[in-house]
Amino acid sequence: QVQLVQSGAEVKKPGASVRVSCEASGYTFTSFDVNWVRQASGQGFEWMGWMNADSGKTGYAQKFQDRLTMTRATSTNTAYMELSSLRSEDTAIYYCTRGRRRPDYSYSMDVWGKGTTVTVSS
Amino acid sequence: DIQMTQSPSSLSASVGDRVSITCRASQTISKFVNWYQQEPGKAPKLLLYATSTLDSGVPSRFSGSGSGTDFTLTISSLQPEDFASYFCQQSYSMPWTFGQGTRVEIK
Repeated sequence: QVQLVQSGAEVKKPGASVRVSCEASGYTFTSFDVNWVRQASGQGFEWMGWMNADSGKTGYAQKFQDRLTMTRATSTNTAYMELSSLRSEDTAIYYCTRGRRRPDYSYSMDVWGKGTTVTVSS
Repeated sequence: DIQMTQSPSSLSASVGDRVSITCRASQTISKFVNWYQQEPGKAPKLLLYATSTLDSGVPSRFSGSGSGTDFTLTISSLQPEDFASYFCQQSYSMPWTFGQGTRVEIK
């Protein structure tokens, strides 16, 4: 079945970097985008950026422009999200999602990973 | 960035009730709004895209309407498994943005 399997929980110190992986299965990885979305405890969702899994082209939310990197390995159908210069406010659940553009030009995130908890604490 | 204002933030309802949740965009977004359901401790699930199209496998008691700036998610007859949180999200222009969510609780 179509699924995204994310790497396990991380605990990092302020100033460090974190890398979260997202392995896709059940569909052609390069036919869709990958988006990353985060949710702080009790808060709403914050979209971080997207990546075309075929070309590797990326687009990041302005807030994360200088410390977010999204990459992929097409040989293993895996997407990666790396966030640097971590601070306590980055403590959240990070989700990878499959981004789908339909013929009517609508776009949605139709498959979600189970999330990876990243805790930033000294 | 496009702001999505969702209301109410929470509501209490009984099984069988008709429930509506609204989302207002800070500018026109045509039909490009999606709705997600999130059960406690779980990842979100796509319910509807492009305002009113049900994603695969989503029960027909869910429906969506609206255009421009005002959108509504309706559950025609609330079922026990529908007690969850619901979020709207605009896909008109990046950055994609979400409403703050509506928690649907059992009365």
